[in-house]
Amino acid sequence: AQSVSQHNHHVILSEAASLELGCNYSYGGTVNLFWYVQYPGQHLQLLLKYFSGDPLVKGIKGFEAEFIKSKFSFNLRKPSVQWSDTAEYFCAVNRGGGGADGLTFGKGTHLIIQP
Amino acid sequence: SAVISQKPSRDICQRGTSLTIQCQVDSQVTMMFWYRQQPGQSLTLIATANQGSEATYESGFVIDKFPISRPNLTFSTLTVSNMSPEDSSIYLCSVEDVRGQGPSSYNEQFFGPGTRLTVL
Repeated sequence: AQSVSQHNHHVILSEAASLELGCNYSYGGTVNLFWYVQYPGQHLQLLLKYFSGDPLVKGIKGFEAEFIKSKFSFNLRKPSVQWSDTAEYFCAVNRGGGGADGLTFGKGTHLIIQP
Repeated sequence: SAVISQKPSRDICQRGTSLTIQCQVDSQVTMMFWYRQQPGQSLTLIATANQGSEATYESGFVIDKFPISRPNLTFSTLTVSNMSPEDSSIYLCSVEDVRGQGPSSYNEQFFGPGTRLTVL
């Protein structure tokens, strides 16, 4: 079974600061990797995903993530955060190689951006 | 992209009772999933709702406690049976849908708004 670990449960940054949220997974096979965001009072939304190919993936709102297979990591980055990035961020994984599969989520990181 | 609605959006229930949550999608989808998000916790997959057959449950979840129906490709229900305060949670329906076209298409999981359940 897969598992996902997010290192930071709460992060507080000032606007324009750079962001990196850590995510490590454990699974021996091929995986698909995701970052979801949940803004206050809203549904979960997909920020970005990695299925195959270029390990550096770009998502919406200026976010990007890099899949480092040797480190089983998929860290989320943004060079300059905005107040509107305040939200809960979840890293998730499911089995790759085709076929639909439910997601295994990390515990989430609560990000607060101070104006 | 799929649009998902859930009913009810929230409910307060007495222990020992049962609640059925409905999930409706605006298009036919192959895969539907049910998740739970307990207070201050992450999302945990309960089961995969299979159309025309019994749901596939994850470890720690059983059919007697969380019976699931999937009568067609656009609808599913999750029942939380014989509730206790520990069942207080947000229950989310998710569907997998195809985005994009051709070689660049990919599967994405969309989430419903959730049902906030409080058990007294």
